[in-house]
Amino acid sequence: AQTVTQSQPEMSVQEAETVTLSCTYDTSESDYYLFWYKQPPSRQMILVIRQEAYKQQNATENRFSVNFQKAAKSFSLKISDSQLGDAAMYFCAYQGGSEKLVFGKGTKLTVNP
Amino acid sequence: DTGVSQDPRHKITKRGQNVTFRCDPISEHNRLYWYRQTLGQGPEFLTYFQNEAQLEKSRLLSDRFSAERPKGSFSTLEIQRTEQGDSAMYLCASSLEGPETQYFGPGTRLLVL
Repeated sequence: AQTVTQSQPEMSVQEAETVTLSCTYDTSESDYYLFWYKQPPSRQMILVIRQEAYKQQNATENRFSVNFQKAAKSFSLKISDSQLGDAAMYFCAYQGGSEKLVFGKGTKLTVNP
Repeated sequence: DTGVSQDPRHKITKRGQNVTFRCDPISEHNRLYWYRQTLGQGPEFLTYFQNEAQLEKSRLLSDRFSAERPKGSFSTLEIQRTEQGDSAMYLCASSLEGPETQYFGPGTRLLVL
């Protein structure tokens, strides 16, 4: 079974600074997809970024980028120029041959003004 | 633009009662997923539908849980004889067919007293 591990329960960053959230996963599949979702307090989960495993190029979405290391099974999220609105729980998720998402336990990000 | 909606948003019930939740997916999405999220954890997969067919169920889904999607549009998740351990956030997500991004609703928070 696939597993996703987020080793940082909490992280904090100063406004305008850069922060990196870590995620590792375990799988024997070769084709899969990786996601970062953001869940603000009492609000719904929204997609931040998606990476297809067959693509060597790291995905980017404005201030959000990933460092995808397939051999190491590592998928970290970098948030540049952090904003107060970035404060949330961030979940790393895996989707392989089964359609379900497998989530990590999440990292709570605090942005300090 | 109508995203995924869920009703009710909050439900308090007494142990032993039955509860039913509803999820309305994004209109053109033929896949619908149910997840459960407990405090401090990432969401865990429960079941998913493609159109009206229920294609996968987690072992987490005990025989007290039943889900339907009778016309391939909205879905209901029923929990019979609720237990305190059922207290959680129940999330619904929908997607197009294939390895497509899942979009989440706001969730139904269940408290069993």
